[in-house]
Amino acid sequence: AQTVTQSQPEMSVQEAETVTLSCTYDTSESDYYLFWYKQPPSRQMILVIRQEAYKQQNATENRFSVNFQKAAKSFSLKISDSQLGDAAMYFCAYRVYSGGGADGLTFGKGTHLIIQP
Amino acid sequence: GAVVSQHPSRVICKSGTSVKIECRSLDFQATTMFWYRQFPKQSLMLMATSNEGSKATYEQGVEKDKFLINHASLTLSTLTVTSAHPEDSSFYICSARTRLGSTDTQYFGPGTRLTVL
Repeated sequence: AQTVTQSQPEMSVQEAETVTLSCTYDTSESDYYLFWYKQPPSRQMILVIRQEAYKQQNATENRFSVNFQKAAKSFSLKISDSQLGDAAMYFCAYRVYSGGGADGLTFGKGTHLIIQP
Repeated sequence: GAVVSQHPSRVICKSGTSVKIECRSLDFQATTMFWYRQFPKQSLMLMATSNEGSKATYEQGVEKDKFLINHASLTLSTLTVTSAHPEDSSFYICSARTRLGSTDTQYFGPGTRLTVL
């Protein structure tokens, strides 16, 4: 079974600074997807960024970027120029690649990100 | 685009009653929907995969007779919690899979908070 581990229950960063959230996973699959989701107090899950395992290039979305180390099974999220609106729970998630795409997500336990003004 | 709604947003019921939660994809067709459960300050746990026109696939440990899932159309999946008990109180979140271009992504509903008295 696949597992996703987020070792940082809580992180704090000053506004405008950069923060990195850690995530490791365990799988025997070679083709899979990795995601970072944000869950603000509203509890709505918001996709932040995704990475296909077959792609060597790290995904980026504006201020958000990942460091994907496939051999190490590591998938960290870097948030640059942190903003107050970035405060939320961040979940790392994994999904095996299948032709039908019918596999659900396996989530880590989450990291609570606090932005200090 | 890619909006998923859930109804109701919160429900309180008496122990022993049944509660139905609806999940709708508003602007796309979803052949596959997923149901997750989230306890307070915890991660999301996949309960089941709902496929349009066929029986749902339940994760290990999830009672299929207690959590009835119906995916009668390409835009609607329902989760019925039968004979609810206080331990079923939780936050239930659905997601719907869609394909945008060459990638498929899961979009989440806003969740339903169930409280069983």
